[in-house]
Amino acid sequence: AQTVTQSQPEMSVQEAETVTLSCTYDTSESDYYLFWYKQPPSRQMILVIRQEAYKQQNATENRFSVNFQKAAKSFSLKISDSQLGDAAMYFCAYRSSSYTGANSKLTFGKGITLSVRP
Amino acid sequence: DGGITQSPKYLFRKEGQNVTLSCEQNLNHDAMYWYRQDPGQGLRLIYYSQIVNDFQKGDIAEGYSVSREKKESFPLTVTSAQKNPTAFYLCASILSGGSNQPQHFGDGTRLSIL
Repeated sequence: AQTVTQSQPEMSVQEAETVTLSCTYDTSESDYYLFWYKQPPSRQMILVIRQEAYKQQNATENRFSVNFQKAAKSFSLKISDSQLGDAAMYFCAYRSSSYTGANSKLTFGKGITLSVRP
Repeated sequence: DGGITQSPKYLFRKEGQNVTLSCEQNLNHDAMYWYRQDPGQGLRLIYYSQIVNDFQKGDIAEGYSVSREKKESFPLTVTSAQKNPTAFYLCASILSGGSNQPQHFGDGTRLSIL
């Protein structure tokens, strides 16, 4: 079974600075998908960024980018030019590329609460 | 706009009572999921369904039941057998065949014990 670990329960960043959120995972599969979701106080789950394991290039979405290290099974999220609206809980998630049956589910880490200081 | 609608937003359950959480989607997605979120636990899968009239247990199905009579709807019943139902419940869906597509989530239902 796959597992996702987010070892830092909380982090804080100064507005306009850069912060990196860590995530490691364990799997025996060679092809899979990784996601970062943001959950603000409204509790809505918002997709931030996704990465296909077969792609060597790290995904980027505006101020958000990932550092995907497949051999190390590491998938960190970098937020540049942090804004007050980035304050939220962030979840790292894994999904098998074989999306039949239970493989189609997302396996989540426990999340990290990010606060942004003005 | 297409999306997933969960209702109610807040729900209270009395001892020994069954309650049903609604999840409706108009995204024409095939697969639907129910997750439970507890503080410090992340999200855990309760049940999932990949086609109409078929559903499977997830990691924490005990005390819950579901039905999938229509493609758009996947209601979750929290039975009296679930001794610790207080949590935030999220419904999600995905278009089967879109293998790199992310799951879409509803806005959730907060269930509490009276």
